[in-house]
Amino acid sequence: GEDVEQSLFLSVREGDSSVINCTYTDSSSTYLYWYKQEPGAGLQLLTYIFSNMDMKQDQRLTVLLNKKDKHLSLRIADTQTGDSAIYFCAESSKGRDDKIIFGKGTRLHILP
Amino acid sequence: DGGITQSPKYLFRKEGQNVTLSCEQNLNHDAMYWYRQDPGQGLRLIYYSQIVNDFQKGDIAEGYSVSREKKESFPLTVTSAQKNPTAFYLCASSIEASRNQPQHFGDGTRLSIL
Repeated sequence: GEDVEQSLFLSVREGDSSVINCTYTDSSSTYLYWYKQEPGAGLQLLTYIFSNMDMKQDQRLTVLLNKKDKHLSLRIADTQTGDSAIYFCAESSKGRDDKIIFGKGTRLHILP
Repeated sequence: DGGITQSPKYLFRKEGQNVTLSCEQNLNHDAMYWYRQDPGQGLRLIYYSQIVNDFQKGDIAEGYSVSREKKESFPLTVTSAQKNPTAFYLCASSIEASRNQPQHFGDGTRLSIL
C-alpha cells in the first residue's frame, strides 16, 4: 500500500539551515504537505505543494519536490529554538477520497 | 476566530467505561476526521465523515464509534471494547471531501486509563 517515510530525528545548530527529507510511494500523489507539531498540541499546517510544482518558498521555508524520485524536502533557513518540534510529511491522492497518508514524523532538535 | 475545538484536553477512563471526545469546528468544513497518535507511530485514521449523516471506517475503527448529526460536530466514543485506548486523539477537518484539500487540526485530547 501507499507509504510515506521520513527519518525520526534531526539535530541542527541554531542559526543553521535544517533540511527534513521525506519519500513516498504513491506515483499518483496530488498534494504533498508539511505539518508541524509542538509538544502537547495538534498539527499545524506549514505549507503544501501541488505535485506539478518543483519548488515553493514561503519566508524561511522552502519545499522541494522531486517527483521522479518521489522525494520531498523541507528546508528551514536560520533555524531558531522555536522551530523545535515534530515535522510530519503527508500526501494525498485523487484515488483515495481525501484521505491523507502521514509519515511518522521527524523530531527536530535545536543545538545551542 | 474560526477553528477546531477539542474537549476535554485530558480524559481518564475506568475499566469497562465508554468515554466520548468532543470535536467542534466553525470553519464550515464538510469533511471531518479522527486520528489516533501513539509515540513513534505517526497518525492512524480511526473514522472520517465526508458529509453530515455519513461516515466511514478508517484503518483502526475497532472499539470506536462516531456520529455526524451536525456539520460542525463529530464526536468520537471510545468504547470498552477498545482494550488499549491510551493515546493522543486528534480531530481534523477539510473544506470539501474528494478535493485533496489540506486538513486542519484541533489541539488534541489525551486519554489515559485509570
